Amino acid sequence: AQTVTQSQPEMSVQEAETVTLSCTYDTSESDYYLFWYKQPPSRQMILVIRQEAYKQQNATENRFSVNFQKAAKSFSLKISDSQLGDAAMYFCASSAYSGAGSYQLTFGKGTKLSVIP
Amino acid sequence: DAGVTQSPTHLIKTRGQQVTLRCSPKSGHDTVSWYQQALGQGPQFIFQYYEEEERQRGNFPDRFSGHQFPNYSSELNVNALLLGDSALYLCASSSHMRLDQETQYFGPGTRLLVL
Repeated sequence: AQTVTQSQPEMSVQEAETVTLSCTYDTSESDYYLFWYKQPPSRQMILVIRQEAYKQQNATENRFSVNFQKAAKSFSLKISDSQLGDAAMYFCASSAYSGAGSYQLTFGKGTKLSVIP
Repeated sequence: DAGVTQSPTHLIKTRGQQVTLRCSPKSGHDTVSWYQQALGQGPQFIFQYYEEEERQRGNFPDRFSGHQFPNYSSELNVNALLLGDSALYLCASSSHMRLDQETQYFGPGTRLLVL
């Protein structure tokens, strides 16, 4: 079984500043993946960044980067040069192989990010 | 490159009725997963379909059933609707043939309101 915990229900950041969203997870699997998804008010869940657990190097995607601490089971998201369009709910999720070629996502409860102009 | 599409966008039903939601996966994808997202919560896994069969199922009652068609599109059916079934239903697709088979891409969702 997997669990994902996001302890910050809401966060705010000034435009152009940097913000870090926290996430911890628990899994008994050795083969797993971690994700950050963004859900703006339009509801569409958008993949922000993906991290393979077997890779030590932290993933980056333009202004988005993660700090993956495997031993601590921590997976935080850093957003640099925050923009108004970054305002959304951010969900941390884990995915592990669950048999029969299947991966299923387990989500945290989300962090609502506000960007202040 | 067509993304994941879902229909309808909104739906209003009354308790006891039945509902069918539809999903077309992203081009090149063959696996469809369904999630229920209650207001203010993260999505919860309902089930996953591959090769027209249910491959994995989350902790949802048998009132929730699904189907996958030969063109990989999928339906989610909910019978005997309860007020608590009101939620955003998300469809996600992936491909077992790709190196990133664990990565799922989501559609815009169907908002179901049960009165």
